[in-house]
Amino acid sequence: ETGVTQTPRHLVMGMTNKKSLKCEQHLGHNAMYWYKQSAKKPLELMFVYSLEERVENNSVPSRFSPECPNSSHLFLHLHTLQPEDSALYLCASSQSYQGSSEQYFGPGTRLTVT
Amino acid sequence: GEDVEQSLFLSVREGDSSVINCTYTDSSSTYLYWYKQEPGAGLQLLTYIFSNMDMKQDQRLTVLLNKKDKHLSLRIADTQTGDSAIYFCAVIGSYNKLIFGAGTRLAVHP
Repeated sequence: ETGVTQTPRHLVMGMTNKKSLKCEQHLGHNAMYWYKQSAKKPLELMFVYSLEERVENNSVPSRFSPECPNSSHLFLHLHTLQPEDSALYLCASSQSYQGSSEQYFGPGTRLTVT
Repeated sequence: GEDVEQSLFLSVREGDSSVINCTYTDSSSTYLYWYKQEPGAGLQLLTYIFSNMDMKQDQRLTVLLNKKDKHLSLRIADTQTGDSAIYFCAVIGSYNKLIFGAGTRLAVHP
């Protein structure tokens, strides 16, 4: 596997379920990101991890819980979601947590909350 | 706050040139980016321009930057059906955060 991979690619969950999204990067990068892409909004940055430490948390509801066990893996734990949380969740990585560092994106997980 | 704006749709005929425009409010960005998102895929960096440049050409792609007007454009020459995608403009905002526009959906028709 190369680049940034995400699993699952599609997920349907009820509002009472608990699920996790997984992201893995094979690029040796030090920074990883979670973005939310909704149909009618610009791409929203949710969380940033640099060297496994969270450096940004952009007012994201607590029903989204990130985890970065090592620099290659990033998880987004989901619980008690709302229908408006349905979106494409994109993971990205970059060599370092600097704006000039190119971000490489995964294919995304299409989440539907019923 | 920082804002990046793009028109939402563009339709062109195959073989014509496409021009996708973007305006931004924060002028301190060192780099300005164009990302491409094909159906069912994540974002892919297409090209970028350094803020002290006015133009960058890369094969069929030409990026123009007008810093005075805070305007960035992407021109695709000889547009092909494979160019159909959503194109995102992005600049670096405060705290080194990438700020994306809403994306322009490019439709290429025969």
